[in-house]
Amino acid sequence: NAGVTQTPKFQVLKTGQSMTLQCAQDMNHEYMSWYRQDPGMGLRLIHYSVGAGITDQGEVPNGYNVSRSTTEDFPLRLLSAAPSQTSVYFCASSADRVDTGELFFGEGSRLTVL
Amino acid sequence: GENVEQHPSTLSVQEGDSAVIKCTYSDSASNYFPWYKQELGKRPQLIIDIRSNVGEKKDQRIAVTLNKTAKHFSLHITETQPEDSAVYFCAASISGNKLVFGAGTILRVKS
Repeated sequence: NAGVTQTPKFQVLKTGQSMTLQCAQDMNHEYMSWYRQDPGMGLRLIHYSVGAGITDQGEVPNGYNVSRSTTEDFPLRLLSAAPSQTSVYFCASSADRVDTGELFFGEGSRLTVL
Repeated sequence: GENVEQHPSTLSVQEGDSAVIKCTYSDSASNYFPWYKQELGKRPQLIIDIRSNVGEKKDQRIAVTLNKTAKHFSLHITETQPEDSAVYFCAASISGNKLVFGAGTILRVKS
């Protein structure tokens, strides 16, 4: 099993550009989520999904869209990038509810918005 | 909204000493409290967790304690080693579908 795979690992954008961060997991996990990590602020939840076709907002959803058309994939879209979205983004998945067991993280995607 | 506070933000200890990191949470309905370790440039990984019906849990050199009345929980690392140097995050579950993380503690173990 590859686990949770994120692409790209690094990306530089100009303000106003759009892009999609890809996340895929091969563990048949129902729960998937996106976090951003900024210095001194820990990991903050952007969006999450409890299964295909179901998504919901986390702590910091503004400026980001998600969809979950399959169990395996959970892409994160930035429609109009802003410098405040410069961050390291982690996708994570769990077999079921997040309070039933381990959250498995991807390797992260470092995004810089100029 | 839901909040998890973590202290200290940085912690330096001598190899062989103990390290303690403390967290408080705001949602009294939280029932699951994991701790994650993140080495430099790597992904966070679960090291230990505790549920609300348990007061303490141990796994070799690490232990976690939970005080539900006071809404705080702590990570204890004994006999610290250089490989324990990392960033540690506490977290609390919200409504079973969200994990809210603390801001993290940078632990440095000096040899």
